[in-house]
Amino acid sequence: GEDVEQSLFLSVREGDSSVINCTYTDSSSTYLYWYKQEPGAGLQLLTYIFSNMDMKQDQRLTVLLNKKDKHLSLRIADTQTGDSAIYFCAETLYGGATNKLIFGTGTLLAVQP
Amino acid sequence: NAGVTQTPKFRVLKTGQSMTLLCAQDMNHEYMYWYRQDPGMGLRLIHYSVGEGTTAKGEVPDGYNVSRLKKQNFLLGLESAAPSQTSVYFCASSRSGRSSYNEQFFGPGTRLTVL
Repeated sequence: GEDVEQSLFLSVREGDSSVINCTYTDSSSTYLYWYKQEPGAGLQLLTYIFSNMDMKQDQRLTVLLNKKDKHLSLRIADTQTGDSAIYFCAETLYGGATNKLIFGTGTLLAVQP
Repeated sequence: NAGVTQTPKFRVLKTGQSMTLLCAQDMNHEYMYWYRQDPGMGLRLIHYSVGEGTTAKGEVPDGYNVSRLKKQNFLLGLESAAPSQTSVYFCASSRSGRSSYNEQFFGPGTRLTVL
């Protein structure tokens, strides 16, 4: 199937690290994405990783990719209250007139002060 | 650049009423998409367009129609609204949908309630 799975909720304390996990389905996905949705807003691309990479670091964000297990994770170091949002992973589904993004269910990250 | 804008932001309809959601982008993007977001289900693709004058069905197209008469606009229509169409609707656009890197830019969403 095309289900991209994520846990629904994660609660952390300010200053701790957050790890959001995602399991995707299509091993041919070249790019995998993390989008952030703040309350009442649309989705915004946070980061992405190319499939030939195991890890990508961007300031407080670290993306880990395990292609064998089709597992993607997003680690946020020193989590701040401003990081409270819903985080979506997305994989690329190839074929047809356009390469479609298949989104996970989203993980609500709640950061406690 | 305004990016992707959507109107209206909120709407309440009665069952059987019709309405059109408007999406506009000023980035000269070829591809545009309509999604709906429901709790615990992520985003699901309703319809998409690969260019002016073209549209195609996504994952959940039933009950919706779309039109792309101008490159910058993508309209989503509900001819006879049903309570099952209560959702938050997002429009997105991308420069290309054929390349393997496909960053999509999202609008702020329209919250629709059908009574």
